[in-house]
Amino acid sequence: AQSVTQLDSQVPVFEEAPVELRCNYSSSVSVYLFWYVQYPNQGLQLLLKYLSGSTLVESINGFEAEFNKSQTSFHLRKPSVHISDTAEYFCAHDNYGQNFVFGPGTRLSVLP
Amino acid sequence: SAVISQKPSRDICQRGTSLTIQCQVDSQVTMMFWYRQQPGQSLTLIATANQGSEATYESGFVIDKFPISRPNLTFSTLTVSNMSPEDSSIYLCSVERAGVGEKLFFGSGTQLSVL
Repeated sequence: AQSVTQLDSQVPVFEEAPVELRCNYSSSVSVYLFWYVQYPNQGLQLLLKYLSGSTLVESINGFEAEFNKSQTSFHLRKPSVHISDTAEYFCAHDNYGQNFVFGPGTRLSVLP
Repeated sequence: SAVISQKPSRDICQRGTSLTIQCQVDSQVTMMFWYRQQPGQSLTLIATANQGSEATYESGFVIDKFPISRPNLTFSTLTVSNMSPEDSSIYLCSVERAGVGEKLFFGSGTQLSVL
């Protein structure tokens, strides 16, 4: 069965520090990969996606993620976080429309 | 992108009652999805709703408990029937817009608490 693993359920970091949220997926075929963000009391929003091409993808608010096929990973990184980045982050993959699977989520808490 | 309006945004219900959640999209979409997010957990797909046909339910979810309507290409409802406290969750409507390269758009969710 397809699955997405996010090893860190909670990640506390201080403001302006770098952060990496880890994501690993299991799939025997190529997939699309996504990061979604859920701010407090809101629905999910797409943060960034990998469909094909360059393995490094970026969002408009400074996050980036790198697709690593050999390690089946799609870790999310930001070099300097802000208080406003505090949210729940979900990694997901889509097996070419066969099924869309979400990871368990990582709660990022940015401390002043 | 897609604008998805979902209501109610939250509700507190009594055990044994039913609640219908509405999802309105600003454009026509083929597939609509209903997810459940239990407290502290990730999203679980309940069912896929296609216009003109019965919804397709995932393992562990049945039509009698979660009846879904899809009367047209911009609207769907999910009913949580005969509720119990275990049904307390956030319920999310989602649509697929594969044509613009962004797979899923989500409504803001309905936070349901069952007493």
